[in-house]
Amino acid sequence: NAGVTQTPKFRVLKTGQSMTLLCAQDMNHEYMYWYRQDPGMGLRLIHYSVGEGTTAKGEVPDGYNVSRLKKQNFLLGLESAAPSQTSVYFCASRTGPPAEAFFGQGTRLTVV
Amino acid sequence: AQSVTQLGSHVSVSEGALVLLRCNYSSSVPPYLFWYVQYPNQGLQLLLKYTTGATLVKGINGFEAEFKKSETSFHLTKPSAHMSDAAEYFCAVSSYSSASKIIFGSGTRLSIRP
Repeated sequence: NAGVTQTPKFRVLKTGQSMTLLCAQDMNHEYMYWYRQDPGMGLRLIHYSVGEGTTAKGEVPDGYNVSRLKKQNFLLGLESAAPSQTSVYFCASRTGPPAEAFFGQGTRLTVV
Repeated sequence: AQSVTQLGSHVSVSEGALVLLRCNYSSSVPPYLFWYVQYPNQGLQLLLKYTTGATLVKGINGFEAEFKKSETSFHLTKPSAHMSDAAEYFCAVSSYSSASKIIFGSGTRLSIRP
């Protein structure tokens, strides 16, 4: 019973490099979310999806892109990483309102 | 737009004392409210939630919260703190008309003194 799985768990990038974070859920959830967590700022919503093939912008979408080609996967891309994107990234999924979201263990990304 | 304000970024209580973590929300439509807990280097785990019905909600580990519409509050309490309660706590709001977003507060770090 894996739930929400994020890969990788840790990554160090150089400024300007690109990478993709993968989120996979095995609960057949329609809704998926990407958040970033920074000290003192809580979790801020980057992008989200309400179903396969759909994506929408959250509170802090700039510098990120997402794709939801398969229902179980939600990919977060950084095309040109910047030090300001150093953060812990969390993926979450849920069936839909009013259900709660289930979270992955996070990806710690450092951009140098 | 919906928002959440958590008063107090850090709360410290003695073991056995009452825990009170404050959360106020802003929403123009009936909200769904959540409290999550995060232990170091882990993801978030649901403590409790309010959707409709009874305004006093009980969760895991002895925590409870009361939805007060007139005060737009959803404060988290526990009668007697335990050392294992030390963690970061997040309040969150959602609704059917919020375009499915879940908006989180900035979090409160709870420390327990022996």
